[in-house]
Parts: sequence; structure tokens; C-alpha cells
Amino acid sequence: QSALTQPTSVSGSPGQSITISCTGTTSDVGGYNFVSWYQQHPGKAPKLIIYDVSDRPSGVSLRFSGSKSDNTASLTISGLQAEDEADYYCSSYTTSSTYVFGTGTKVTVL
Amino acid sequence: QVQLQQWGEGLLRPSETLSLSCAVHGGSLSGFCWTWIRQPPGKGLEWIGEINPGGTATYSPSLKTRGAISLDTSENQFSLTLTSVTAADTAIYYCARGRSYYDFWKGYGKIDSWGQGTLVTVSA
Repeated sequence: QSALTQPTSVSGSPGQSITISCTGTTSDVGGYNFVSWYQQHPGKAPKLIIYDVSDRPSGVSLRFSGSKSDNTASLTISGLQAEDEADYYCSSYTTSSTYVFGTGTKVTVL
Repeated sequence: QVQLQQWGEGLLRPSETLSLSCAVHGGSLSGFCWTWIRQPPGKGLEWIGEINPGGTATYSPSLKTRGAISLDTSENQFSLTLTSVTAADTAIYYCARGRSYYDFWKGYGKIDSWGQGTLVTVSA
């Protein structure tokens, strides 16, 4: 199974909104509403920020939101803050009952 | 809040077997799926596999038959073994808690607790 496709990098100024895409196939992203998003700061373990396409775990900022259309999922960060600078990964359940991660996106706050 | 503490050998020679364990503190193994994920230095995340409370494991096709995940309910921990390692297996390995097993058709891929990570280097 191939990794889901994400842009290598996305940047924005403080206060702006940015969107990260995550493109898969009908065998993963398009087949289920089981897309998750993770934030990873350097040297740290990833942190879950979105699951089941658009659900937020308790304690995660409302500035993070998720959506999906066909084979592409998206993560939007609103009101960008310096602390949002990190790597972001999507993941999806697959028709093989396995999981696949995205290629990762580096978010830079200008 | 459940906490995961992992340990294992950090330096291996090619063809040796990788063995990592992960203890679950503040919660029970029952009711959840338990996952291993790795990340080569400077690269992205790779899902290795998961095991459900009944002991049935699913693995990434990329591992072929080299990987095995097991539960030790008496010690409240789970483990990963990976045979015949090569330099391509060099990575930070994370143990993690996956979905609630008894939530029907919800939270697949919801990995909400992670271990601290173990760097495993394979080098001759």
C-alpha cells in the first residue's frame, strides 16, 4: 500500500488559516470515514488532533478541523499560532484492515 | 490518563531480531487495540501493525512475515519482534494505544496515547 499524498510544506502568517490535503484512493481515504491527523513537534511523539475525519479529542484546540471529499481529506488550522509549527501526518484505515500514513507536511509559521 | 513505557535493544547487527516491549500504566490492555509505529530518522511515520484484545494481530504488508506482535496480559504489556533486520529497519519505534475494540465501527486509527519512542539502529 502506498503512503497517502500530502504537500511537503505549507506556510502561513500568524492569524491566518491554512489547509493541508491528504490524498489517497478508494481503498483507503475514499472508502471509509476513518481519517486521523497527527501533529508532531521535533523530537516528540505524535499527538492525535483529529479522528474519524472531523472529530477532535478532548483538549485539542477548536482551531483544528477536518473534512473529507471523495479520496481527499483535509486539515484546516485556523488562527495560526507559532506553536502550530510542526509536522502533520494524516492516516487512514484501508480495505486490507491495515492503516496507512501520509507523507507528512511541515507547517511553518512565518 | 494511560501512559506507555517502552524499552528494548537499541543497536542491532543485520540479520538479528529486534525485540521491543511496552508496558501500559494507568489502564488495562483489555478493550483496546495496541499498535506499533516506526519513523526512520528524518522521515515519515510507518504503521507496523496492531493487536486486538483477543490476541489477533494485523501487520503491514511491507513487513512480509518478519513481524510479530504479542500480548502479555499478566504483565499488562505488549511486544514487537522483527526478524532478519536490515539497515532499512533503522528507525524510532513507537508503541501506542489504538481504537477502543468494542466501539462498533468508530475510531479506527484513533491513536491517542504513545510511548516515548525507542531508537533502533541496525548497523554492521
